[in-house]
Amino acid sequence: QSVLTQPPSVSAAPGQKVIISCSGSSSNIGNNFVSWYQQLPGTAPKFLIYESNKRPSGIPDRFSGSKSGTSATLGITGLQTGDEADYYCETWDSSLSAFVFGTGTRVTVL
Amino acid sequence: EVQLVDSGGDLVQPGGSLRLSCTAAGFDFSNAFMSWVRQAPGKGLEWVGRIKSKTDGGPTEYAAPVKGRFSISRDDSKNILFLQMNSLKIEDAAVYYCARQLFSGHDYWGQGTLVSVSS
Repeated sequence: QSVLTQPPSVSAAPGQKVIISCSGSSSNIGNNFVSWYQQLPGTAPKFLIYESNKRPSGIPDRFSGSKSGTSATLGITGLQTGDEADYYCETWDSSLSAFVFGTGTRVTVL
Repeated sequence: EVQLVDSGGDLVQPGGSLRLSCTAAGFDFSNAFMSWVRQAPGKGLEWVGRIKSKTDGGPTEYAAPVKGRFSISRDDSKNILFLQMNSLKIEDAAVYYCARQLFSGHDYWGQGTLVSVSS
């Protein structure tokens, strides 16, 4: 089972905002940067956020990341139907000496 | 353009072996840290292991469920990453992705290759 906990699902109407949480511990999120990924059905994950709050080139500013203590969040504003996907957080776990992923959150646009 | 192409997935029996490949292009592969990540049908992402660049050295690291059974290697002359999987179990069935590590995450991913384990 994953050491990073995310809500199974979140939903909102088009144009609205959703926030996805990722809860960990001092051995992972508490002392390491967090990355976020978007996975559309049947495709490979797409890099959305790195170093907890930075966006790679080409990722719109509707996507934002933050970290506080042992938790991180991904925010999506101006929700679009194309944002319907699974979202995962990831970080390094210093105790496990391994990358760990969150349990994943399904975003539904109502 | 960065490209990662995964290949080698197949149907194997429990206890069998399989070698996956990931062919890289469009970046300095020899200096890249590379990971394998898997996703069982209908499940979330699971990191399998990582190999550092030869210049950075250090041991190759593996997730607990595959340690001692899986081995990651690289051929920098051909820009290919490998995942040797031995003593395969039913629970190893998944789509396997190679991914390039950037900072504390993975910025580019292969398209994935399917490994099925069944008798």
